[in-house]
Amino acid sequence: GDSVTQMEGPVTLSEEAFLTINCTYTATGYPSLFWYVQYPGEGLQLLLKATKADDKGSNKGFEATYRKETTSFHLEKGSVQVSDSAVYFCALTSGYSSASKIIFGSGTRLSIRP
Amino acid sequence: NAGVTQTPKFQVLKTGQSMTLQCAQDMNHEYMSWYRQDPGMGLRLIHYSVGAGITDQGEVPNGYNVSRSTTEDFPLRLLSAAPSQTSVYFCASSYSGEGLGGYTFGSGTRLTVV
Repeated sequence: GDSVTQMEGPVTLSEEAFLTINCTYTATGYPSLFWYVQYPGEGLQLLLKATKADDKGSNKGFEATYRKETTSFHLEKGSVQVSDSAVYFCALTSGYSSASKIIFGSGTRLSIRP
Repeated sequence: NAGVTQTPKFQVLKTGQSMTLQCAQDMNHEYMSWYRQDPGMGLRLIHYSVGAGITDQGEVPNGYNVSRSTTEDFPLRLLSAAPSQTSVYFCASSYSGEGLGGYTFGSGTRLTVV
């Protein structure tokens, strides 16, 4: 079945460091890929998405490129801030009907030191 | 503000008690779903609905019931609470199951079963 694998956390970085959180997927068909972010005590929020190969999603300085050849969707940010501390989830949906479901990775906790 | 509203935010139950977690959305989304979030396991789908009157099981449905009598509401019922159901529960909605417009999550219900 379809699945998403993320790098295990926690990831701890200093402010202004470069961030990469790895995500790879297994899916039949042509999935859409997402990154969601969960701040402490809150629900998940959509951060960015890409719906076809070579698409780049971007938002709030974060980027991720849909790489079909490596089945990856790594999240990057050039200079992280303390406010980026959160849990990040990679996810995919596949299927062509309204019964398709979103599948989440296990999440990566990111902590940024001032 | 438009969004997904979950109540209650916190709940403590004794083993064997029953309760209903409420979820309501005002975005006219057809697709609604319930997840549980446990440490190190990401989000797991409990039940979902593709429209009023239609529900289906997700990955971990045992011990939970749902119904969808209106587009707006999607309550989750715990029939006889068990300590294994201690978790954080999230309700989410989307225009469609593919979630291309993003899933909107509620802020969660933290449930403890003693």
